[in-house]
Amino acid sequence: EAQVTQNPRYLITVTGKKLTVTCSQNMNHEYMSWYRQDPGLGLRQIYYSMNVEVTDKGDVPEGYKVSRKEKRNFPLILESPSPNQTSLYFCASSQSGDNEQFFGPGTRLTVL
Amino acid sequence: SQELEQSPQSLIVQEGKNLTINCTSSKTLYGLYWYKQKYGEGLIFLMMLQKGGEEKSHEKITAKLDEKKQQSSLHITASQPSHAGIYLCGADYTGTASKLTFGTGTRLQVTL
Repeated sequence: EAQVTQNPRYLITVTGKKLTVTCSQNMNHEYMSWYRQDPGLGLRQIYYSMNVEVTDKGDVPEGYKVSRKEKRNFPLILESPSPNQTSLYFCASSQSGDNEQFFGPGTRLTVL
Repeated sequence: SQELEQSPQSLIVQEGKNLTINCTSSKTLYGLYWYKQKYGEGLIFLMMLQKGGEEKSHEKITAKLDEKKQQSSLHITASQPSHAGIYLCGADYTGTASKLTFGTGTRLQVTL
């Protein structure tokens, strides 16, 4: 089944404790993105990647890092999480630049 | 002000009634995507519109993009409880769809 998977789905952590949210897609897609969703602000792009080893900032990249060492994986790294990074995070992938973006199920992160 | 505005923010309709959700952009779109989201879950792709004047339908949902490619509407005919959720429009301003700018969403409730 074609899908985007994210892990973990739920995470509660404390300020400053490094964490990684994994994202994997099995569709051989070139493009992958990370978004965060907050009430009243909608979905905002954090980072995106157009291919292996090619990444670029989205609208709200501060406090996040990404890497794209393999085509299928695009982990999101929070080196020192803060409470304002409490949010619902989505990973997405697409075949090329002008096709439907497939979204993962979301990761709900709470930073205390 | 927001580049992409959705209206209404929320909507309560009786089962069987028709409804329309609007998405208005402050600038010309390369493409417009409609997604549906169940509360706290991932996004389900509904339709993508790229050409001015384009109209697409799937089951009881019809989406249109105006000639100027700055406004889109999503129309649901004879609403059902299964239509309940959050509807999001996503704008492609780059022509690559590697980054989508989302509206804040319309929360739809369908009452019996």
